Amino acid sequence: DSGVTQTPKHLITATGQRVTLRCSPRSGDLSVYWYQQSLDQGLQFLIQYYNGEERAKGNILERFSAQQFPDLHSELNLSSLELGDSALYFCASSVQREWNEQFFGPGTRLTVL
Amino acid sequence: TQLLEQSPQFLSIQEGENLTVYCNSSSVFSSLQWYRQEPGEGPVLLVTVVTGGEVKKLKRLTFQFGDARKDSSLHITAAQPGDTGLYLCAGMTTDSWGKLQFGAGTQVVVTP
Repeated sequence: DSGVTQTPKHLITATGQRVTLRCSPRSGDLSVYWYQQSLDQGLQFLIQYYNGEERAKGNILERFSAQQFPDLHSELNLSSLELGDSALYFCASSVQREWNEQFFGPGTRLTVL
Repeated sequence: TQLLEQSPQFLSIQEGENLTVYCNSSSVFSSLQWYRQEPGEGPVLLVTVVTGGEVKKLKRLTFQFGDARKDSSLHITAAQPGDTGLYLCAGMTTDSWGKLQFGAGTQVVVTP
């Protein structure tokens, strides 16, 4: 158990819908990262937050957004969902040391029908 | 194009054999990490290497960071079925604060 929690574990929805994925980092970790993992793309970095502020952006679509709240939990919002958004979404957290070891949650499997 | 190239993509061996997985790049990394991921679960951090030439051992797993900090290898001695999984290397370059770049992974299958 990494100490990072994610909810829900599974999510099934239809095209055009909007969903929210939630992540609670390990106690004491200020940084939260979101990743998307699909069969053909591997693990792709989406976005990072540090203590409530956006720090780095990766291959995140404009239909996706995220935020980190004062209690450090984070939410990833996915809107206007398309079939291709079906994937595993992982949250990771770190203390943000120089070498940035990240600890991953169990993931949310999103299926868009 | 992946910043980190892993090879081989797939490796199937029998219990007791040795294996080596490679992670290569043309970029210099300030740190490099290895993770193992099982189906439907999140990657689990195995090790972090930060110094060129560094060798770290974790039981039967040996990790090496290249002298130029552009490549790394993972060697497993006497593999066991429990070593089965997707092995991912991930690196952070000096100009990508906080942003880990992942390789595509090597799927290792160890059969009894």
